[in-house]
Amino acid sequence: SAVISQKPSRDICQRGTSLTIQCQVDSQVTMMFWYRQQPGQSLTLIATANQGSEATYESGFVIDKFPISRPNLTFSTLTVSNMSPEDSSIYLCSVVEGYTFGSGTRLTVV
Amino acid sequence: SQKIEQNSEALNIQEGKTATLTCNYTNYSPAYLQWYRQDPGRGPVFLLLIRENEKEKRKERLKVTFDTTLKQSLFHITASQPADSATYLCAFGMDSSYKLIFGSGTRLLVRP
Repeated sequence: SAVISQKPSRDICQRGTSLTIQCQVDSQVTMMFWYRQQPGQSLTLIATANQGSEATYESGFVIDKFPISRPNLTFSTLTVSNMSPEDSSIYLCSVVEGYTFGSGTRLTVV
Repeated sequence: SQKIEQNSEALNIQEGKTATLTCNYTNYSPAYLQWYRQDPGRGPVFLLLIRENEKEKRKERLKVTFDTTLKQSLFHITASQPADSATYLCAFGMDSSYKLIFGSGTRLLVRP
């Protein structure tokens, strides 16, 4: 199974700013997924990122708010833009290989 | 709409007993179902996958059942240990997209 390094592990950000979260996989993978886990809630899929194409966003999530990059088969970033307190969540990346998740980024917006 | 339900109340059991967690779904016909373990501050860790044509899957002390008639999966941990204390998530998926729909999880507490 794959191993994912996700960073930062946590951050406290001012409203109106942006944060970019990075996920590095130790092997080449076709698909990467980005999830959000709000406090006490289940994981919700934000988007699917394939290398060489635009990310596919789920209902309720838009590219302007959550731009995603996938420059190669081992790396992806998710940016949370123009943050508000409602964006305070844990953000996780995932790959199909081994059904592996990153350790998550705990974001607090103040 | 598609819905997955897990017992939101924590399951509190004595060490050595069997823990049984439930996952129910509606308005959905999943191709497979997964169970994950999540510890505080960590990402989910994959435990087991069972497909719609499988009734039961085992891995060491873990057992998962999948009843497509009842639209339910049961997750069992036999001879439970305090180290099994965590939140357990179920998730449904369709082979065509690999997207997963997660339940909200059930917290398991195993008392020594």
